[in-house]
Amino acid sequence: AQTVTQSQPEMSVQEAETVTLSCTYDTSESNYYLFWYKQPPSRQMILVIRQEAYKQQNATENRFSVNFQKAAKSFSLKISDSQLGDTAMYFCAFMKHSGGGADGLTFGKGTHLIIQP
Amino acid sequence: GAGVSQSPSNKVTEKGKDVELRCDPISGHTALYWYRQSLGQGLEFLIYFQGNSAPDKSGLPSDRFSAERTGGSVSTLTIQRTQQEDSAVYLCASSWDSGQPQHFGDGTRLSIL
Repeated sequence: AQTVTQSQPEMSVQEAETVTLSCTYDTSESNYYLFWYKQPPSRQMILVIRQEAYKQQNATENRFSVNFQKAAKSFSLKISDSQLGDTAMYFCAFMKHSGGGADGLTFGKGTHLIIQP
Repeated sequence: GAGVSQSPSNKVTEKGKDVELRCDPISGHTALYWYRQSLGQGLEFLIYFQGNSAPDKSGLPSDRFSAERTGGSVSTLTIQRTQQEDSAVYLCASSWDSGQPQHFGDGTRLSIL
């Protein structure tokens, strides 16, 4: 079984600052995917960024980038030039790569990110 | 519609009643997932469908929970004889194939009195 740990229950930064959210995971799988999802108060889970474990290059999506350290099983999310609309719960998630079976996401407990004006 | 649609948005019911939650995935998505989100347990994976079949039902919390998917599209999650610990937000997600990014609906908030 996989576990995902987010050690920061809550973080608060000023608008325009850069913030890094931490995530570590534990798995015996060699091929898997990692995700960061954002959940604003509206409740809908929104995909922020995705990383395939076999790719060494860190994924980036505009202001969002990850630092993927496979050996250390670490997958942190960096948000640059933070905006008020980035305020939300952020969940790190793991999914094994398989040809069948249960491919559900394993989520961390989440980090509540607050962007202050 | 453009996204995953779940109904109802909110459901309040008495303990012991049966409830049915519905999920309409994005058109063309073959994989469909159910999750439960509660304060105490966080986000839990419940069940996954590839087409109409569910290869693994071991994530369902108890035998009071069941799910089906017909026509490779709409799915229903049924909870029989509801208990207070069933109170949670039930999220549905779909993807065009297993292993691909999942797109979530807005969820159904279930409250058991």
